[in-house]
Amino acid sequence: SQQGEEDPQALSIQEGENATMNCSYKTSINNLQWYRQNSGRGLVHLILIRSNEREKHSGRLRVTLDTSKKSSSLLITASRAADTASYFCASDRGSTLGRLYFGRGTQLTVWP
Amino acid sequence: NAGVTQTPKFQVLKTGQSMTLQCAQDMNHNSMYWYRQDPGMGLRLIYYSASEGTTDKGEVPNGYNVSRLNKREFSLRLESAAPSQTSVYFCASNEGTLNYGYTFGSGTRLTVV
Repeated sequence: SQQGEEDPQALSIQEGENATMNCSYKTSINNLQWYRQNSGRGLVHLILIRSNEREKHSGRLRVTLDTSKKSSSLLITASRAADTASYFCASDRGSTLGRLYFGRGTQLTVWP
Repeated sequence: NAGVTQTPKFQVLKTGQSMTLQCAQDMNHNSMYWYRQDPGMGLRLIYYSASEGTTDKGEVPNGYNVSRLNKREFSLRLESAAPSQTSVYFCASNEGTLNYGYTFGSGTRLTVV
């Protein structure tokens, strides 16, 4: 079963707008990660947030984590057409073995 | 800066044929992983190797075998391919802790007819 469930499945916005994607998970975690996948390419690591952190920033990316609700959100500010991609959250399900379990992803389309 | 290299990039097999997907990383990472990606399913872990000399099953190991040849290389073998194994296969590596993300290869698109 999928550990992470992203919401929405698809999101379409105009350049300059903000994009928010959500992720829910079912078990306790040590950390949660977000990845981007451009069409036909491999996944690229964006950001990692630990279970004792509530918010993290990286450039135009802002990730929040609410362990009480078992949810995380990824905010991309001032979106660009180049941000068009699929975005996945991944959690470790509390394991220390380094394995990650991925959700089904959100397909983000940013129109010029 | 090659990162994670997967070969081949594309492959078409007939049902029952065998093949090995190759993966190599040049980052001195301890852990390596094989995932498959199917439409609407996200990525599912097939096998992983936490360190050289060890391998363990993931979520969907049936029909696959793996070999951690050395610290750099982790291969995935399909002994008797089935149409259900049509998928995109990704290899990934990381240094073996939860402190860092994975580095992914560019994938192998496999079609079994």
